[in-house]
This record gives sequence, structure tokens and C-alpha cells, in this order.
Amino acid sequence: EADIYQTPRYLVIGTGKKITLECSQTMGHDKMYWYQQDPGMELHLIHYSYGVNSTEKGDLSSESTVSRIRTEHFPLTLESARPSHTSQYLCASSGGRTPPYNYGYTFGSGTRLTVV
Amino acid sequence: GIQVEQSPPDLILQEGANSTLRCNFSDSVNNLQWFHQNPWGQLINLFYIPSGTKQNGRLSATTVATERYSLLYISSSQTTDSGVYFCAVVDAGGGADGLTFGKGTHLIIQP
Repeated sequence: EADIYQTPRYLVIGTGKKITLECSQTMGHDKMYWYQQDPGMELHLIHYSYGVNSTEKGDLSSESTVSRIRTEHFPLTLESARPSHTSQYLCASSGGRTPPYNYGYTFGSGTRLTVV
Repeated sequence: GIQVEQSPPDLILQEGANSTLRCNFSDSVNNLQWFHQNPWGQLINLFYIPSGTKQNGRLSATTVATERYSLLYISSSQTTDSGVYFCAVVDAGGGADGLTFGKGTHLIIQP
């Protein structure tokens, strides 16, 4: 049973379009993350957040931006999509608010983005 | 930053076989998880195991934090076990709080 939801699951879009990938979690986690994964490769952290109004850039440079206005919601936006943005984007969350704290990470199903 | 190395990179086995996947990491960790990524790209959490041993059905995992490695055991493999197995850690030394992933082990179970 999924507690972290990503939409859309698949997206094909033209160059220059603005897109927003949605991520929501119902576990009350304060920490949320976005990872980028090219086919057959490892995942790279591109953004993370420790809570409302907190956003940080990850290890891999990305032209995308994120926002955290509500605890449960962490959308990722590309202002002008390019073919180089074609990849899978996975959202994750960690850390419960009450003991016993869950330090494990839970991932959404991912969004496969293709920019043509 | 912390380095995560997984071996073997590729593994092809017959149904029913057993396998051991290894994960080495270069520094102390606060978190270590094993994931299975299925052919549809979904990342399934198998174990949260920064130390010790855990078992879940045909799968078990052991992490020896002092020696900086973890092992994932799969017994009596089934075709549905195919996919990529990732080890991921959080560096105890600080920096970004997110997981650092290894390159994965690509496992194919043949009927």
C-alpha cells in the first residue's frame, strides 16, 4: 500500500514546455527528497527538504526547482523542458514525527519523463 | 562524499538458486537500506539495516558496520526476483541528508 504518491506516472512533453511533477505523502514525514535516475543507472539526489519552507540542492546539479508549502506536498518544476531532462524522477520521504522514529526512506513509484 | 560499491554488477541465475550480493561503503553510516527496483522502475524497500541481521521470507541481510559492508542473501530464487538491487547509505559524517546509492546489481533469474 503506497503512502507516497507521484503523478503523473508517465509524461511525454514537447521542448520548451513548463511541467510540474507532483509528490505527496501521508506518513507525516518532515524530510522529503527528489532523485533523478537515467535508465540502468544509480539514483542521484537533486533536491531535499527538512520541512515547510525548507529546500536545498542535492549532489547532482539540476535545472529544476522545488517548493515545500505544505508538509505533505513537495512538487518539482521544470520551467522549460529540454530533451536532456529526459529521465525518471523519484520522490522519497523519511522520518516520523513520533517515536519510534522511522529513519528508513520510502519511495514513490516515480515519473518517467520524456521530452521530445 | 561517501562511496558505495556493489558487487557483482551483473548476475544471471537459474530459478531455485541462491545468491549473495555485497555492498561496501567508505565511511561510517547512519542508515543503510537495500532496495529492489522492478522492471517498471518502482523502488521497493527490502531492508532498513544500518547494523545487524534481518530476515524476511527468502531474503535476509547482514550489515557489519565496523567493517563497512553489507550482504543481501536471496534463497530459492524466483523469476519475480529479477531486477536491480540497490544498496544506499546516509553518511554519518554530515552533508546532504539524502541516501547515496551504489550502481546496483542487475539480477536475472531464468526459468
